[in-house]
Amino acid sequence: QLQLQESGPGLVKPSETLSLICSVSGDSITYKTYYWGWIRQPPGKGLEWIGSMYYSGITYYNPSLKSRVTISVDTSKNQFSLKLSSVTAADTAVYYCATSTLGNFDAYDIWGQGTMVTVSS
Amino acid sequence: QSALTQPASVSGSPGQSITFSCTGTSSDVGGYNYVSWYQQRPGKAPKLLIFDVTNRPSGVSNRFSGSKSGNTASLTISGLQAEDEADYYCSSYTSITTLVFGGGTKLTVL
Repeated sequence: QLQLQESGPGLVKPSETLSLICSVSGDSITYKTYYWGWIRQPPGKGLEWIGSMYYSGITYYNPSLKSRVTISVDTSKNQFSLKLSSVTAADTAVYYCATSTLGNFDAYDIWGQGTMVTVSS
Repeated sequence: QSALTQPASVSGSPGQSITFSCTGTSSDVGGYNYVSWYQQRPGKAPKLLIFDVTNRPSGVSNRFSGSKSGNTASLTISGLQAEDEADYYCSSYTSITTLVFGGGTKLTVL
C-alpha cells in the first residue's frame, strides 16, 4: 500500500523559499501513471490546490501561485518535492502531498499526514 | 480561479439523509464530469469519498453518493451516523487545467 510522508522545515522566514519533500513508500514512484500533487490548508480555512505533476513530468500550477511554485520528482530517491519562493505570512498552512493512483487529475486518493509550515521572522 | 461555493454548515440527525451542494461555473463543475468530494476530520488529512461525480473509491461506504445538475454538484449521505461529523470539500477540474476546491461545509450530527 502506497504511503506518503511530508518533511521539511516547520518555520520559514518571510521572503525565503519554502522547500518540502514528500517521501513515497510501499511502491516505486517510477513509471506509475499517477498524478503527484501538493495541497495546503491555512489554519482554520479550506483546502487550496498548489499544483500537480503527471508521471511524464508535465506540471500544472495554481495560477495564483504559479510564479513562485516548482514541483519536481526525484525517482532515484522515490520522492517528489515542492518549492515555494518569496513566502509571506499568507503562506502559513498545513501542506499536504497527495497522489491520484486512479490516474485522475482531480481525485487524490492517497494523502500524507500533512506538515505545518509557519512563515515568521 | 474562484473557489467553488459550498454552504458553511449543515446539520442532521442520525438516520437522516443529508445533501451537500457545490456550485461552480460552466468552466469547472458544469463543463466536466470531474468533480470529487472529500471528508476531513479534525487534525486529519482529507479522505476521498467520490470522484468523477458519481464514483466511489474502493472501501468507501455506499451511504455516500454523488450527482450533478448543471453547474451544481451534490454529495448525499444516507443513514447519517455520528462518525460522519466532519468537514466536506468538493473539488473540480477546470477549463485551464487546474483544480479548484470549494470552501468546505461543516457537518454537525445532532
